[in-house]
Parts: sequence; structure tokens; C-alpha cells
Amino acid sequence: QQQVKQSPQSLIVQKGGISIINCAYENTAFDYFPWYQQFPGKGPALLIAIRPDVSEKKEGRFTISFNKSAKQFSLHIMDSQPGDSATYFCAASKGRTGTASKLTFGTGTRLQVTL
Amino acid sequence: DAGVTQSPTHLIKTRGQHVTLRCSPISGHKSVSWYQQVLGQGPQFIFQYYEKEERGRGNFPDRFSARQFPNYSSELNVNALLLGDSALYLCASSLLGTDTQYFGPGTRLTVL
Repeated sequence: QQQVKQSPQSLIVQKGGISIINCAYENTAFDYFPWYQQFPGKGPALLIAIRPDVSEKKEGRFTISFNKSAKQFSLHIMDSQPGDSATYFCAASKGRTGTASKLTFGTGTRLQVTL
Repeated sequence: DAGVTQSPTHLIKTRGQHVTLRCSPISGHKSVSWYQQVLGQGPQFIFQYYEKEERGRGNFPDRFSARQFPNYSSELNVNALLLGDSALYLCASSLLGTDTQYFGPGTRLTVL
């Protein structure tokens, strides 16, 4: 059972454009939602994370929008750059349990930023 | 400060063999989790350890086992390797009381 659904599977954006990746979750016990960036042959690197008590969080060019009632969240990459070309994963976990809980990942979005 | 380190980087084994993968968490991190990432998919949770005890286990067969040492480093063991065990094995560490997990570069296991 896939508890976190991610779309699109792949995305091509021109340099300077906005990249948008969407995720939907099923388990209402989830309350920590991170996004990870992964380059080929490397481990995932944390980009930005949000909790359901806020609807938006921005860090630099990266913004998470969160819709608790719809159980959806999205990553927006503003002014996309060729260096942003990577695979992006959304994830979810039951947070604030005393230690980091297991992450349930989406299937990933391969982003390509063209010149 | 050093991030999460894993060894070896790459490993090639044949079916039926046993493998041991190693992970050193970020200094001060006492929680370690293991994930399996098959090519083209998101990581899947295998185990979590903190304070040297198993705190969570994913949907993996008993061929998979792990342990955490007093210095908080960890080993993942896989017995009777199958072709389907070929994957990138990721270790993540976290500070107790926080939700953020930091991943290592992974060990690429190929089973022939």
C-alpha cells in the first residue's frame, strides 16, 4: 500500500522557470513532511520540511505549500537552475514521538532544468 | 563535522552469500535507520535503532538483521542474498528529540 503518492514522475523546466512537484498522503497520523533532493549515486539530502500547523514554508528558492484538509503538499522551486536537475522525493512520518520516526517516501520526480 | 559515513561504497555478491554493511552516524546522533532504495524508486524503511535497541522494523524478511554498537554505529546484515536484494542501502542518523534524518551516501549492493 503506497501511503505517499507523488507526481509527476518526471518534469522538464526551462532555466528561470518554476518547478512544481505534488504529493498526497493517506495516513492522518503523519505530521512531519520533508522533501529530499538526490543526485545520481548519492544519498538523499534534506531540502526543506514542514509540519501541518503551517500552510507554507519558504527557504530561499524552495517553498512547501501544505493543505491539511486535502492531505496534499507540494514543493515549488522558483527560478529553477540547471544545478537543480536531480530526483526529488517527498516523504512523511509521524513526528514528535521523541525520536525521528520511519520515513515513508513518494516514488520520486526526476527534474531536468534546461538552458 | 563529518556527515553520515557508510562502507563499503560498492559491493558485488553472488546469490546465497551473506553481506554486512556498516554505518557511522553524525557525531552526537544516537538514532540510526536503514533504508533500501531499489533503482527508480523511493527509499523503503528497513530498521531503526537507538540506544542500541531495535525501535522499528519495516516489511522485510528475517534474512535482514541489524545491530547498533555502544558508539552508536550500526551494521546491517543480509543473509542468503537474492537477486532482488540488489539496491542502494542507505543509512540515516538523527538526534534524539528531533524528526530530521540525515542520509549517508549509501552502499551500492549488486547481487549476481
